[in-house]
Amino acid sequence: DAGVIQSPRHEVTEMGQEVTLRCKPISGHNSLFWYRQTMMRGLELLIYFNNNVPIDDSGMPEDRFSAKMPNASFSTLKIQPSEPRDSAVYFCASRGLRGVNEQFFGPGTRLTVL
Amino acid sequence: SQQGEEDPQALSIQEGENATMNCSYKTSINNLQWYRQNSGRGLVHLILIRSNEREKHSGRLRVTLDTSKKSSSLLITASRAADTASYFCATLVGGTYKYIFGTGTRLKVLA
Repeated sequence: DAGVIQSPRHEVTEMGQEVTLRCKPISGHNSLFWYRQTMMRGLELLIYFNNNVPIDDSGMPEDRFSAKMPNASFSTLKIQPSEPRDSAVYFCASRGLRGVNEQFFGPGTRLTVL
Repeated sequence: SQQGEEDPQALSIQEGENATMNCSYKTSINNLQWYRQNSGRGLVHLILIRSNEREKHSGRLRVTLDTSKKSSSLLITASRAADTASYFCATLVGGTYKYIFGTGTRLKVLA
């Protein structure tokens, strides 16, 4: 398995533009998590899905952020409009139903909003 | 914030020495996990300890858990330069799939 796949790996955009981050979880995993990592705030859970259903989005900072999981193999995190303070590394992670509760992280998307 | 706290924030040791990192958390938990993050990479799971366990070993890793104090420690024995990374604890909030990560410890192992 290729692991969790995220795209793009790097994104540079200007303030006000729409940004879409993509994630493909590990096949067979039924939980998906979006995190944001910054030096100031550390690793923050934004939202997680279970069986494609959003369970907890209390970490989503503002209405400018939205996430979808239309099927078990794809999720998006959208920021519209983007602001400089959204600059961070965004990670997607997935977790399977069996075995230990470990999460498998993707390589992350480094977002820079100018 | 529910975020856990880890100390020290940064640790620098010589190769071959042991490294100890501590984690404190705030909520009731099902289990506690430790992850490693190499620079510019995603986190990688190291070890999990359940709330009814007190100690667990995996290779050069030893984890302890004290639920009465809401704290855990990670010991890396005989450290290597390749252990240089940030280490995070993560707690699974009881009754949910929600993971809360600590602030992390940056470990540097000098060759």
